[in-house]
Amino acid sequence: GQQLNQSPQSMFIQEGEDVSMNCTSSSIFNTWLWYKQDPGEGPVLLIALYKAGELTSNGRLTAQFGITRKDSFLNISASIPSDVGIYFCAGQGVDNFNKFYFGSGTKLNVKP
Amino acid sequence: DAGVIQSPRHEVTEMGQEVTLRCKPISGHDYLFWYRQTMMRGLELLIYFNNNVPIDDSGMPEDRFSAKMPNASFSTLKIQPSEPRDSAVYFCASSLGPRETQYFGPGTRLLVL
Repeated sequence: GQQLNQSPQSMFIQEGEDVSMNCTSSSIFNTWLWYKQDPGEGPVLLIALYKAGELTSNGRLTAQFGITRKDSFLNISASIPSDVGIYFCAGQGVDNFNKFYFGSGTKLNVKP
Repeated sequence: DAGVIQSPRHEVTEMGQEVTLRCKPISGHDYLFWYRQTMMRGLELLIYFNNNVPIDDSGMPEDRFSAKMPNASFSTLKIQPSEPRDSAVYFCASSLGPRETQYFGPGTRLLVL
């Protein structure tokens, strides 16, 4: 099956710092999604990417769909305490449009 | 829209009991997905439906698990009999189409003692 490697596993940063996390895949993906999950809640979509090379922003968040279609990154600028949570990448393979594969998550801790 | 609705939010049961989890997708979404999340395995797709028809159930762990979607606004995931290793958070998600993003419900936290 598809393999998604997400890194880092966890991060401890100071409020105001920028954050970068990424996902790589062993296979080509058609779509990359980035979700955030708060404790006790379901994942909430942050950014969706549909084309290789696409760079999309959502407020302080920026994500890119890698040119090789095998990777994606998410950047958070000027982090704030409410950025705390687990961030997941998800990719949609070329073999099955209905199936998304999820990374293992990056746990972000922000110190005020 | 209220988003994806799941019930119950928490379930504690004893080994061997039947468990039924419920989901109401976002109105108008033709795709419904059931996921399981554990610390060890992360988010795993169990099964998904298109227009109430199960399309891919290859992620269902074993015969103890079954899912139904009797109509466009309701789906159930049943575990019978439940086992302690079934303890996890179960999420339901829905989407408009195959390439559309999935919107997740708040999840059901299941603990099987």
